Amino acid sequence: DAGVIQSPRHEVTEMGQEVTLRCKPISGHNSLFWYRQTMMRGLELLIYFNNNVPIDDSGMPEDRFSAKMPNASFSTLKIQPSEPRDSAVYFCASSLWGLDSPLHFGNGTRLTVT
Amino acid sequence: EDKVVQSPLSLVVHEGDTVTLNCSYEVTNFRSLLWYKQEKKAPTFLFMLTSSGIEKKSGRLSSILDKKELSSILNITATQTGDSAIYLCAVEPHTGNQFYFGTGTSLTVIP
Repeated sequence: DAGVIQSPRHEVTEMGQEVTLRCKPISGHNSLFWYRQTMMRGLELLIYFNNNVPIDDSGMPEDRFSAKMPNASFSTLKIQPSEPRDSAVYFCASSLWGLDSPLHFGNGTRLTVT
Repeated sequence: EDKVVQSPLSLVVHEGDTVTLNCSYEVTNFRSLLWYKQEKKAPTFLFMLTSSGIEKKSGRLSSILDKKELSSILNITATQTGDSAIYLCAVEPHTGNQFYFGTGTSLTVIP
């Protein structure tokens, strides 16, 4: 049974470039979450979706960040333009909303912005 | 503002020792508390504690939820080097579907 799949695993880009991170949740899960992890701030929730609808994006740092979920099996997190302070590990996670279901995480994308 | 605090921040023990990790929370309308283990990659799920299940056990790991004290502990007995990881606590409120994470406890088990 495939877990949450994220791509790419690593991304190195220059400041000012656009970055797109991708996520495929576990089949049948109806909630999807984007987290950012750094040493200083730990795991921060950026945005989450229920049934493909964005519910809470208050964690998105600024307008440079955007997320979409066009269907139940795919989501993207875009940063445009990227900055060095965006360097972090970005995790996607999914769960079954309302059924005491834990979060299942992907392996993350390590983003480095130089 | 909802908050999850873990202690200690880091811990170094010898193989065979028993450790206790702490998690305290301030969350409106508590629904569940979860423990995760994170090694080099993604956090992996350990336990979920809800109003109806306040103690869970799996092998050498066990966890208890104290709803009165708004806290939980994670115990690991007879520690092994493979237990070295960051242990994360997360809390889910009834309102919405967020999971609020603490900053984690870094455990190092030395031979």
